[in-house]
Amino acid sequence: DAGITQSPRHKVTETGTPVTLRCHQTENHRYMYWYRQDPGHGLRLIHYSYGVKDTDKGEVSDGYSVSRSKTEDFLLTLESATSSQTSVYFCAISDLGANTEAFFGQGTRLTVV
Amino acid sequence: AQTVTQSQPEMSVQEAETVTLSCTYDTSESNYYLFWYKQPPSRQMILVIRQEAYKQQNATENRFSVNFQKAAKSFSLKISDSQLGDTAMYFCGESGSARQLTFGSGTQLTVLP
Repeated sequence: DAGITQSPRHKVTETGTPVTLRCHQTENHRYMYWYRQDPGHGLRLIHYSYGVKDTDKGEVSDGYSVSRSKTEDFLLTLESATSSQTSVYFCAISDLGANTEAFFGQGTRLTVV
Repeated sequence: AQTVTQSQPEMSVQEAETVTLSCTYDTSESNYYLFWYKQPPSRQMILVIRQEAYKQQNATENRFSVNFQKAAKSFSLKISDSQLGDTAMYFCGESGSARQLTFGSGTQLTVLP
């Protein structure tokens, strides 16, 4: 199994509070992604990173920010959580070359009340 | 922008029968990769099969095969001899040179005994 872990695995937070989700990899892969999964919408890309300090927006980036200060860590921050951000969040990693498979973390279930 | 469309939200198939899941995509990339991932109730994302766009030969992995129609931008997944363990959500995905990995909304497949 690819070395990718997400923390926390579950979180309940109140509306208006900041929340940070962490994705940690031990594979030294260049690309890291954050997705949210919602019924009927599948996996939607929030932000992704193609190197240290290099990030870009995905399809649903409003209300989210990211940071990547080290190759192994990719942080997703909800500056002020809203109920519409209740979702399951997945981190994924991939690299260049012949093996372009993306490896996924186990997901974080976030509930904003 | 990349888009991936899965037009079948739910499908069912009898055990041992064959089922085909549809996927269409839209990309401006000349070289890209296509994927099918499976997500069982455990929520883990598992790569089923991968196709490189420059390869004309359809990819196969045991009971799983694809019908890749590049001109039509179609990438369907065929599951032969369906098993109860194939019950899962299936996601079609596309990744181009920018490595922005985009997924469709998913197809929930149920294999009936």
